[in-house]
Amino acid sequence: GAVVSQHPSRVICKSGTSVKIECRSLDFQATTMFWYRQFPKQSLMLMATSNEGSKATYEQGVEKDKFLINHASLTLSTLTVTSAHPEDSSFYICSARDVQGASYEQYFGPGTRLTVT
Amino acid sequence: AQSVTQPDIHITVSEGASLELRCNYSYGATPYLFWYVQSPGQGLQLLLKYFSGDTLVQGIKGFEAEFKRSQSSVNLRKPSGHWSDAAEYFCAVGARGNEKLTFGTGTRLTIIP
Repeated sequence: GAVVSQHPSRVICKSGTSVKIECRSLDFQATTMFWYRQFPKQSLMLMATSNEGSKATYEQGVEKDKFLINHASLTLSTLTVTSAHPEDSSFYICSARDVQGASYEQYFGPGTRLTVT
Repeated sequence: AQSVTQPDIHITVSEGASLELRCNYSYGATPYLFWYVQSPGQGLQLLLKYFSGDTLVQGIKGFEAEFKRSQSSVNLRKPSGHWSDAAEYFCAVGARGNEKLTFGTGTRLTIIP
C-alpha cells in the first residue's frame, strides 16, 4: 500500500527557533499533500494544501509566514515552523494524494510531535 | 459548508461484543465518506471509504459501515470487538471536486476484557 513518512517523529526546540518537518511519499507520486494540526484529544484541523511546484493554499486563520510550506518534488513536502512559540506545540500530520490513485483518497503520515520550550 | 458530527466522545464495549460508532454529516450533495483509525501517537489509517454504489461498505480489520442518505449518517460497525481495536476513530467527509477532508471530533473506543 501507499506509504507516507514524516521526519522527525519528535522534536523539541527552544522558543524563537525554527523547525522543519518533512513529509515524503515513499512509493507513489503526490501532486497534492496536506498538512494538519492536531491538539491533544481533538480532531485534525487542516492547515494548508501543498501543491507540487506552486504556492501552498492556507486555511483561514493559518499564518502563512509562520508556517512555511514547500512542495519541491512529487514525493516531498516540508513544513517549517518559524520563530516557534510554546503555543505551536502540537502534533503535525501530513497526508498525500496519489496522482494515479482513487480520487480523494489521502494517505497519512505517522505524525510529528513538536514541543516548544 | 460541510460538517461532520461524531456524537459519542467515548465508547466502551466488552471484548467480543458488537460495536457501533456514529457519524452524521451535513453536506449539500452526495459526499465522499471515510472512516480512519488512529492509535496513540500515530497517524491515521484508512478503514473504509464510500464514494458511490452499494451503501454497505466493507473495510479492513472486520469493520463495515452503512451509508444512510436519508439520515445523513455513516455509522461504523464491527460484529465482535477485539482488544486491538482500542483506538481513536475519525469520520471524514470529502466533497466532489474538492480534495479537502473535514474531520469529525473523533470517538475513543475502549475494549474491556
